[in-house]
Amino acid sequence: DIQMTQSPSTLSASVGDRVTITCRASQSISNWLAWYQQKPGKAPKLLIYKASTLESGVPSRFSGSGSGTEFTLTISSLQPDDFATYYCQQYNSFYSFGQGTKLEIK
Amino acid sequence: EVQLVESGGGLVQPGGSLRLSCAASGFTFSSYWMNWVRQVPGKGLEWVANIKEDGSEKYYVDSVKGRFTISRDNAKNSLYLQMSSLRAEDTAVYYCARWGAGVADYWGQGTLVTVSS
Repeated sequence: DIQMTQSPSTLSASVGDRVTITCRASQSISNWLAWYQQKPGKAPKLLIYKASTLESGVPSRFSGSGSGTEFTLTISSLQPDDFATYYCQQYNSFYSFGQGTKLEIK
Repeated sequence: EVQLVESGGGLVQPGGSLRLSCAASGFTFSSYWMNWVRQVPGKGLEWVANIKEDGSEKYYVDSVKGRFTISRDNAKNSLYLQMSSLRAEDTAVYYCARWGAGVADYWGQGTLVTVSS
């Protein structure tokens, strides 16, 4: 099984900040990685797939990069709507998610 | 507009059974793999099972193999999850999700399953 590890678990930031979340896979997954955003009481929302492809309708301040075992999600300028929990998911071999990164208002 | 609406969750005793349903609309249901993903309240996401467009292939996470069965009825645009021998650790919100090229591009609102005596 492929284990996904996100860091940090919690991130405190302010509106306008640039933030980066890291996701590491226990083995190479090429670029078969997605990122989701989840708000309390809501279903996750797909942001990025294939490591760096932005889902339709997602603001361009979100970007993804990486390949192999290390990946990043970057938000270039935090907006109030971005405070949420973010999950990475690999789909190289079945499916597994990271434990999540909660993005909090500083 | 793509919509996925789950139903069937509730309180069940350990060892009991429950059947979840997911009604799909707004897309050609028979053209997509469909999945169940669960989330223990306050915790992370776990993929549970998926089923091919025509129902000919089904896959499960190890922890539910032999206890859960995923199925679909393309004529009714519906996805199902039959859960039996339920355990406390199966308590979670269960989401129905459309899979597009390996990722969940649409999700339902979720249905809560609580396994407790």
